[in-house]
Amino acid sequence: DAEITQSPRHKITETGRQVTLACHQTWNHNNMFWYRQDLGHGLRLIHYSYGVQDTNKGEVSDGYSVSRSNTEDLPLTLESAASSQTSVYFCASSTGVEAFFGQGTRLTVV
Amino acid sequence: QKEVEQDPGPLSVPEGAIVSLNCTYSNSAFQYFMWYRQYSRKGPELLMYTYSSGNKEDGRFTAQVDKSSKYISLFIRDSQPSDSATYLCAMSASGTYKYIFGTGTRLKVLA
Repeated sequence: DAEITQSPRHKITETGRQVTLACHQTWNHNNMFWYRQDLGHGLRLIHYSYGVQDTNKGEVSDGYSVSRSNTEDLPLTLESAASSQTSVYFCASSTGVEAFFGQGTRLTVV
Repeated sequence: QKEVEQDPGPLSVPEGAIVSLNCTYSNSAFQYFMWYRQYSRKGPELLMYTYSSGNKEDGRFTAQVDKSSKYISLFIRDSQPSDSATYLCAMSASGTYKYIFGTGTRLKVLA
């Protein structure tokens, strides 16, 4: 079955370190998204991509970057992790209206 | 003001009750209106979506959109303990696949 997987599921890192969260989908979807979910804020869009070599900033993109070198993967990099980036991160993919979400990565920055 | 507003709850109802979940929005460009369900420590999953105004029914779930009031609703009939989850509304404008989410409403259905 096609799916979307995120890794790692849990990560603890130190302030100032670079961290990369992986997202891999096997649906061959063109659209991929990264969200963070925090209490009181819901899901907020970090970055998104509509295809290979295409990346766009969302509403909370500062301190994050993505690259899209193939259809299946959209890794999210935190350039220099900060405590404010402690959150649950969700990756999603879609061809249109219906987006499929991964199981999430719980990131703690200490 | 947020583009999408949703009461975070929690909302507790007895089994069998009719549940009404709502969102309001400010961006008149929104054309697609979605409801996602999220169980604890899981990713959101799409329940249903509506294009523009009107109603849509799927089993025990009914989605309503009132664009004149910028108000959307999700009704759950004959609610079950398995419906206990967080329900998130999401919206997007035509020509874009970016979704703007509400904060989510936590629902608890008591057996």
